[in-house]
This record gives sequence, C-alpha cells and structure tokens, in this order.
Amino acid sequence: EVQLVESGGGLVQPGRSLRLSCVVSGFIFDDYAMDWVRQAPGKGLEWVSGISWNSGTIDYADSVKGRFTISRDNAKNSLYLQMNSLRADDTALYYCARRSFDSSGFYHHFDSWGQGILVTVSS
Amino acid sequence: DIQMTQSPSSLSASVGDRVTITCRASETIASYLNWYQQKPGKAPNLLIYAASKLQSGVPSRFSGGGSGTDFTLTISSLQPEDFATYYCQQSFRTRYTFGQGTKVEIK
Repeated sequence: EVQLVESGGGLVQPGRSLRLSCVVSGFIFDDYAMDWVRQAPGKGLEWVSGISWNSGTIDYADSVKGRFTISRDNAKNSLYLQMNSLRADDTALYYCARRSFDSSGFYHHFDSWGQGILVTVSS
Repeated sequence: DIQMTQSPSSLSASVGDRVTITCRASETIASYLNWYQQKPGKAPNLLIYAASKLQSGVPSRFSGGGSGTDFTLTISSLQPEDFATYYCQQSFRTRYTFGQGTKVEIK
C-alpha cells in the first residue's frame, strides 16, 4: 500500500522557520518526482514546489521562491520542505504528493497524497 | 503562470442528475489537464488525467473531455458519495496551477 506521511508542522511566529518531512512507503521512492501542495483554510489548492527523482530539477511557486527549499533523501524515502521567513499567508495544510506519469511518459499528475500537515504562522 | 478558471464555483444537484463542470486555461495546454475530487477533511483524489483518462478505481460515471483551453468533467448520474469539491489542474508547465474549485452540493 502506498503511504505518504507528513510531519513537522505546528504553530510558528512570523519570520521564523519550520521544516516539513514526508516519509513514504509502498513504492520505490527514487522512481518518482515529488511535490508539495498547500491549502489555506477554506481555500483551494496551491502547488508549492517540486523535485525530480534525482534532485536534478527543482522548481518553486513565485509565492515561496527564495524562502522555501525542497529536498529529498532517497536512502531514507523522505521528502523535505525547509520553510524560512514564514508569513501569515503561508498558513495552510501542506500535502506531499507523488507525481506519476502515464504510459506515454508525457502526461503527469498527482496520484497519491499524504493526509496533510497543518502549518500556522501567527504571533 | 497558466491561470485555470472553473465554472461554476458551486452548484446544487440531486442524486441521479447529470453534472458538468468546466475548466478553462489561460493558454493552450493540449491535453495536460487533470481532475481531482476532495471531500471535507481529506486529501484530494485523482479522478481523470490527460484530460480524458480515467484513473484506476474511479467509477465510470466520471468522464473528462476537451483539449487546448476548454475542458469538462461530467458525472453522468450523481451519487451521494460524489458531493465534494472538484479541482482541475494543468500539467503543461511544471509550475502547476489549479482551478479555484467547484463545490457540488445536495439540492
């Protein structure tokens, strides 16, 4: 069974840092690119960052670029999101998601998600 | 970034109804369009990928169509478990973007 389990969230003051982790099981982690997607309370989904299987390709949403850093440790089946200079509008439920490709290799989508971890930025 | 616009933002329907949700991209994205269902307190669940391909395990009453900039998600006969929020997402560019969501409520 594919499982993704996030941890590391909590209440943090504006300007401080937090590191999220996502430990996966049930599949070969280094076969897949991975992403972070967030959802502010009562709002829609926002893609945050993504990383290729070998960390060779990394991208960020403009809203977090320069403040957040995505990384992975394939030996530990783990994905990370280092969040610095946190702001109130970073308050959200953060999901890690597995990026899968269809048989053609062109079309990709998020086919497995964690349960999410809440990050609250407030003084 | 590519903007994704869904309509309507919400709708009320009855069990058995045929429901169609539309999604428009701000530029052409070929068939790089996915649909997700999200129930309260749960993570999103992939329904449709590549605009029209049904994800394994998803009931056949769900179908997707369109290409270029205009897409649809259709539920042929709405079931009680289908009341949820639906999101489209483009995967044409890896700065992925989602629509704002369509909440399907019970009439």
